[in-house]
Amino acid sequence: EPEVTQTPSHQVTQMGQEVILRCVPISNHLYFYWYRQILGQKVEFLVSFYNNEISEKSEIFDDQFSVERPDGSNFTLKIRSTKLEDSAMYFCASMGTSQETQYFGPGTRLLVL
Amino acid sequence: RKEVEQDPGPFNVPEGATVAFNCTYSNSASQSFFWYRQDCRKEPKLLMSVYSSGNEDGRFTAQLNRASQYISLLIRDSKLSDSATYLCVVNRYSSASKIIFGSGTRLSIRP
Repeated sequence: EPEVTQTPSHQVTQMGQEVILRCVPISNHLYFYWYRQILGQKVEFLVSFYNNEISEKSEIFDDQFSVERPDGSNFTLKIRSTKLEDSAMYFCASMGTSQETQYFGPGTRLLVL
Repeated sequence: RKEVEQDPGPFNVPEGATVAFNCTYSNSASQSFFWYRQDCRKEPKLLMSVYSSGNEDGRFTAQLNRASQYISLLIRDSKLSDSATYLCVVNRYSSASKIIFGSGTRLSIRP
């Protein structure tokens, strides 16, 4: 069964450093998403991406965040200058059409020290 | 008011019990509805979609009441492996972009 993959599984970084989280969505999917989940809290929407552009973003997704689909397979989330409060699990998801559900990757656990 | 609200639990029930989860959503334009399951430190996984006519998948039954903006999940004959957090999820696919998660209800099944 096709699945969404994410790398790395864990990342530790110093405050102020840039991190890039990588995702490979399911190959024939068209919609791509990033979510985060702070430990013990709910899953929060960050951004959605369709047709090579951001279609919606939340208030969390400020200028420190950016997304890219640099080739036909990868979908990345960049955090330019990490803050302590960016520590969370980051989930990538993809969806085939607008009427389907989203499939989640296993997540990247980010720890900012 | 939160867009999707769930009872946070935790629910702690014996194996074999029937458990019901409730969820309400505030945006009447919401188009599709799901229950996801999330195990500790894992990604959310789709449990089942929720249809207006109600739907059943083995021991799991989901119901949707659009008039009351209410979604439910019933688990019959609960198993130890059902222990997880159950997430109510709503998709406003007028913008296919965004799904809204409830904060989840924790379920713990005891032997």
